[in-house]
Amino acid sequence: DIVMTQSPDSLAVSLGERATVNCKSSQSVLYSSNNQNYLAWYQQKPGQPPKLLIYWASTRESGVPDRFSGSGSGTDFTLTISSLQAEDVAVYYCQQYYSTPYSFGQGTKLEIK
Amino acid sequence: EVQLVESGGGLVQPGGSLKLSCAASGFSFSGSAMHWVRQASGKGLEWVGRIRSKANNYATAYTASVKGRFTISRDDSKNTAYLQMNSLKTEDTAVYYCIGGYCGSTSCYSYWGQGTLVTVSS
Repeated sequence: DIVMTQSPDSLAVSLGERATVNCKSSQSVLYSSNNQNYLAWYQQKPGQPPKLLIYWASTRESGVPDRFSGSGSGTDFTLTISSLQAEDVAVYYCQQYYSTPYSFGQGTKLEIK
Repeated sequence: EVQLVESGGGLVQPGGSLKLSCAASGFSFSGSAMHWVRQASGKGLEWVGRIRSKANNYATAYTASVKGRFTISRDDSKNTAYLQMNSLKTEDTAVYYCIGGYCGSTSCYSYWGQGTLVTVSS
């Protein structure tokens, strides 16, 4: 099974500043036949279900603000919020969908400093 | 408008059974894989399992902790997915989310329900 590890567990960033969340998989999630990384990022606000932000490691879901970006390949990935807004306070999860079980990272709690 | 509505949650004793339903609308249910993800109170997300579409032979997969106890099924004529949970344990207590998902060559989608709470307690 693939283990997903996020860092840090929590993060406090000032409004307007950059926030970076890291995600590492225990094995590569890059599918060679289509050169796609089977890695997604989700945002979960209190009392709500998670919302898909990014898939294929770097493709933004429709309607997601362009301050959110994803990068990385193979086993190391990053979610970046370029200029933190108050509404971005949430827990962020990465998930691999390369092989079952489709495991999640433990989550990173993002707060305002 | 996309909607997924879970139902069937509640309080059940250890060793008991419960069947969750997920009624979907607003997207191609029959073409989508249907997943279940759970979240214990104050904890992270745990993928429970999925059932693929008819085109993919309704293939199922489960996480190890529920294999042999949980069964995912679907009825494409009713746009409904199910999670049958048997031999329930206290550690199965969580909010259970239903997700309709698909990844093609150029895009993906992942639609989530609001969740239903399952409490396993004596």
